[in-house]
Amino acid sequence: KNQVEQSPQSLIILEGKNCTLQCNYTVSPFSNLRWYKQDTGRGPVSLTIMTFSENTKSNGRYTATLDADTKQSSLHITASQLSDSASYICVVGGSGDYKLSFGAGTTVTVRA
Amino acid sequence: ETGVTQTPRHLVMGMTNKKSLKCEQHLGHNAMYWYKQSAKKPLELMFVYSLEERVENNSVPSRFSPECPNSSHLFLHLHTLQPEDSALYLCASSPSDRAENQPQHFGDGTRLSIL
Repeated sequence: KNQVEQSPQSLIILEGKNCTLQCNYTVSPFSNLRWYKQDTGRGPVSLTIMTFSENTKSNGRYTATLDADTKQSSLHITASQLSDSASYICVVGGSGDYKLSFGAGTTVTVRA
Repeated sequence: ETGVTQTPRHLVMGMTNKKSLKCEQHLGHNAMYWYKQSAKKPLELMFVYSLEERVENNSVPSRFSPECPNSSHLFLHLHTLQPEDSALYLCASSPSDRAENQPQHFGDGTRLSIL
C-alpha cells in the first residue's frame, strides 16, 4: 500500500525562525513529489513539484528537497512569518495517471 | 483566487435531506476531481472526471452521486448521508488526468455537517 508519512504532526515556532518539515514515502513507482500549503478554511495551494531527477526546488522562502533513494523529502521554511501558519501537505504521484498519495499534513503555527 | 470556485462554502443538512455541491473551474482544464478531507486524515480521492467522462469511482457509497455536465462544472449530489460523512469536500482540476507533473488546483471546499 502506498503511504506518505509526515512529521512532526504539528509544531510551533517564533516569527523569524526557520523550521523543517519531513516527509517519508513508500509510493512505487514514483513520478513526482509535491508540497502544498493549506490555510485554515481554504483549499490546498501548490508550493513545489519535484520529479525523480530533481533534488531541490525553491519557492520564495520555501525550499523543498528530495532524496529519491531513501524516499525522503523535506520542506524548509526560512525566516518564518505569521502568514506561514498553515497545514503543509506532502503529496506523492505515481507514474502514468492522476492518482496521488497524500500525507496527513504538518500544522505549523508561527507566533509573534 | 485559484480559478476553482466551490459553492456553498458551508452546508448543514439532516440525514434525510438532498443537497448538491457545485464546483466551477475557469482554468480551461479537462480533468476535475472530488476529494473528502476529514480532520487529521489524508485527503481521500472520491471521483475523477476527464473530458466529462468519469474515470474513477474510488469505492464511494452510492449516497454520493457526481455529475459533470461539461468540462468546467462538477456537481456532487448528496442524499441520505450519515454523520461520518461530515467533512470538508474539495474540488480540484488539472490540465488532464495524465498531467503527471502539473499541480492540481483546489477550490476552498464545502464544509459539510450532517445532523
